[in-house]
Amino acid sequence: DQQVKQNSPSLSVQEGRISILNCDYTNSMFDYFLWYKKYPAEGPTFLISISSIKDKNEDGRFTVFLNKSAKHLSLHIVPSQPGDSAVYFCAASARGTYKYIFGTGTRLKVLA
Amino acid sequence: DTEVTQTPKHLVMGMTNKKSLKCEQHMGHRAMYWYKQKAKKPPELMFVYSYEKLSINESVPSRFSPECPNSSLLNLHLHALQPEDSALYLCASSNTGLDEQFFGPGTRLTVL
Repeated sequence: DQQVKQNSPSLSVQEGRISILNCDYTNSMFDYFLWYKKYPAEGPTFLISISSIKDKNEDGRFTVFLNKSAKHLSLHIVPSQPGDSAVYFCAASARGTYKYIFGTGTRLKVLA
Repeated sequence: DTEVTQTPKHLVMGMTNKKSLKCEQHMGHRAMYWYKQKAKKPPELMFVYSYEKLSINESVPSRFSPECPNSSLLNLHLHALQPEDSALYLCASSNTGLDEQFFGPGTRLTVL
């Protein structure tokens, strides 16, 4: 049972445009959500997080939106750059449990 | 220092071998994690150590044996592995269970 899903395995976007990556979860106990970026042969790198008490968090080009009623979050990257090409994972946790459940990943390709 | 290091980067072992993976962090984090990642799949949690005590074992077979000698070090001892155990093994740390994890680059394990 996949508790965190990313339904788009891949996404291609033109450089300078907006990239929108989506993530859905099923467990209503999750209250902390994170996005990671992963290059081949490297470990995931933390990008941005959001707590369930917020519906938006912004850090530079990256913004995460959380819709608790829909159990949905999204990552917006504006403007997209070729260096953003990587696999993006969302992860969810019930805070304090130390269990982070990862989504299936979306491969983003930013075209120059 | 915001780095998690893992050694070795690559490991090839036979099914009768005994080997160990090593992970180190010097960020003063009190939680350390082992994940397993197969190709095109998300990282799957194996073990969590919190304050040097094993707090989560995700029903991992006993041929994987974790050890946390001190707050900076995490080992994963391997014995009698199967070819299906071949994967990328990722180590991570976090300050608590309430914030982002920092990942190491991983050890690419091949079991022959």
